[in-house]
Amino acid sequence: GAVVSQHPSRVICKSGTSVKIECRSLDFQATTMFWYRQFPKQSLMLMATSNEGSKATYEQGVEKDKFLINHASLTLSTLTVTSAHPEDSSFYICSADQGEGGYTFGSGTRLTVV
Amino acid sequence: SQQGEEDPQALSIQEGENATMNCSYKTSINNLQWYRQNSGRGLVHLILIRSNEREKHSGRLRVTLDTSKKSSSLLITASRAADTASYFCAGGYNKLIFGAGTRLAVHP
Repeated sequence: GAVVSQHPSRVICKSGTSVKIECRSLDFQATTMFWYRQFPKQSLMLMATSNEGSKATYEQGVEKDKFLINHASLTLSTLTVTSAHPEDSSFYICSADQGEGGYTFGSGTRLTVV
Repeated sequence: SQQGEEDPQALSIQEGENATMNCSYKTSINNLQWYRQNSGRGLVHLILIRSNEREKHSGRLRVTLDTSKKSSSLLITASRAADTASYFCAGGYNKLIFGAGTRLAVHP
């Protein structure tokens, strides 16, 4: 079946630094990928839709300069959390659109900003 | 953005009992999906029901969809301790918006 690899699974960074998270579709091409954020005991909040070869579409309230998304190929989307602060600590999950309503999710990245 | 509330927010039952979770959604959908998430882990896709379907079964799972009321329900029959997890509905048009989720605890 379709697999999405998300890396790293855990990262700890210092406040003020930037962190890049990768989301890679391993056996299919994904023109569209999605990035979600999940705080403890809460649901997944859609942050942005990543489109291959074009700019990402951000959901209302998500700072595009803070969360940089690059979807340079049909199998890779990256999310960079710039100038991270403790309040950015969260669980970030990506998913890839397989078409016909099918979405495959990565295993998530737990970001801790200290 | 997020879909509507899920009901209940938390559910605690004994093994062997049935668990019913309800979800209301706000957006237009072409299908609605249910996912399971163990604490702090990734998502597991459970079942997808298309907007023109009213009911679907998969093993111990039964999902209903009422597009007129913008609501769906997930029934887990004969629950097991291993079913303990959070359950989310998600739907949308060309993207998935998640509901608030139900935390299910099944006690042996």
